[in-house]
Amino acid sequence: AAGVIQSPRHLIKEKRETATLKCYPIPRHDTVYWYQQGPGQDPQFLISFYEKMQSDKGSIPDRFSAQQFSDYHSELNMSSLELGDSALYFCASSSDGTGGLNSPLHFGNGTRLTVT
Amino acid sequence: GENVEQHPSTLSVQEGDSAVIKCTYSDSASNYFPWYKQELGKRPQLIIDIRSNVGEKKDQRIAVTLNKTAKHFSLHITETQPEDSAVYFCAASIRFGGNTPLVFGKGTRLSVIA
Repeated sequence: AAGVIQSPRHLIKEKRETATLKCYPIPRHDTVYWYQQGPGQDPQFLISFYEKMQSDKGSIPDRFSAQQFSDYHSELNMSSLELGDSALYFCASSSDGTGGLNSPLHFGNGTRLTVT
Repeated sequence: GENVEQHPSTLSVQEGDSAVIKCTYSDSASNYFPWYKQELGKRPQLIIDIRSNVGEKKDQRIAVTLNKTAKHFSLHITETQPEDSAVYFCAASIRFGGNTPLVFGKGTRLSVIA
């Protein structure tokens, strides 16, 4: 079965540079979630999109922005990178209709961002 | 917002023994409680979930119980095997009639000693 695809798998950037992470959800999934996971930490919710509109916002810094495109893929744009941004960034997708039962979240393999 | 507490943070068991991980949540509106297993450097993988309309769910060696009144839920792994060693995360959210993001517990590092 198709899974959530994230690219790149690894990314090394210097402080103050920018980075773009991409996420391709499972086909027919309409919701994308972005999570940040620091070493030894639990995944922290950043932002989510449902049907190309932002649906929830978590602890996403103002330096970061994201969007979901017409083909449902999503991109997380990170600017003015700081050392503390080094983490695993996971994208998850689900099928979230209005009301009723929504499908479980399935995670991609993540992008490991290292800021030097 | 939702707050999920998870205990213990580390757990070591002998192969073949049982392991129990407990979580509590704060938002009584939460109605969906998944458990994820994460191996080092890999993605969290859903292993079992429970919805608020049931009190217990079992899948082979894994079971989850939910006490809505007390707002806590637990993961039970029986006959543990070395390959069960990983970090386990509980989570909670509103998935019935809503699509709120998952809020994770801090994780439990399970070590199964052969």
